[in-house]
Amino acid sequence: AQSVTQLGSHVSVSEGALVLLRCNYSSSVPPYLFWYVQYPNQGLQLLLKYTTGATLVKGINGFEAEFKKSETSFHLTKPSAHMSDAAEYFCAVSYSGGYQKVTFGTGTKLQVIP
Amino acid sequence: NAGVTQTPKFQVLKTGQSMTLQCAQDMNHEYMSWYRQDPGMGLRLIHYSVGAGITDQGEVPNGYNVSRSTTEDFPLRLLSAAPSQTSVYFCASSFSGVENTEAFFGQGTRLTVV
Repeated sequence: AQSVTQLGSHVSVSEGALVLLRCNYSSSVPPYLFWYVQYPNQGLQLLLKYTTGATLVKGINGFEAEFKKSETSFHLTKPSAHMSDAAEYFCAVSYSGGYQKVTFGTGTKLQVIP
Repeated sequence: NAGVTQTPKFQVLKTGQSMTLQCAQDMNHEYMSWYRQDPGMGLRLIHYSVGAGITDQGEVPNGYNVSRSTTEDFPLRLLSAAPSQTSVYFCASSFSGVENTEAFFGQGTRLTVV
């Protein structure tokens, strides 16, 4: 069985500060990992995804995430927060099951304070 | 490209009524799925389909039916609406067989059952 845990349902940062959103996964087989962003009243949009090989993944809007197998983590970071980053972020995992059965975390709402 | 289109965007139902949420995609994706999003619970999988004529249950299937007669369409039917089905519903699609591909989401249907 696969699951995803996102630490912190709400995170507040000042504009210009580091953004760190935490995600830990459990999977009995090698995982495929994703971060999605949801702006208010919209659907989810892919930020970045982990593929086998490179452990540091770069995504859109300056976000990146590092896959750490030893820690079963896939934390999302951005060096400098912008007001437009305020949204809800979801970590998700799927596995080598032949089709895309994706399990989502419960989400982290990011607030950016001017 | 339209991507994934969901209709309606908003709906209010009375308890016991039935309705169908529509989902269509124009990307020739084999895999389609329905999620519900509730505060603090992330996205939970209701039903999914790996191709026309093939559907299966997800995590929370009770009270919902699906069918997949074409590659493009994947409607979700509420048989007898209950207040517990008040939620935001998202349809998603992706290619199957490419296990780290991304899911494309519709804009969501906000359903209220009174």
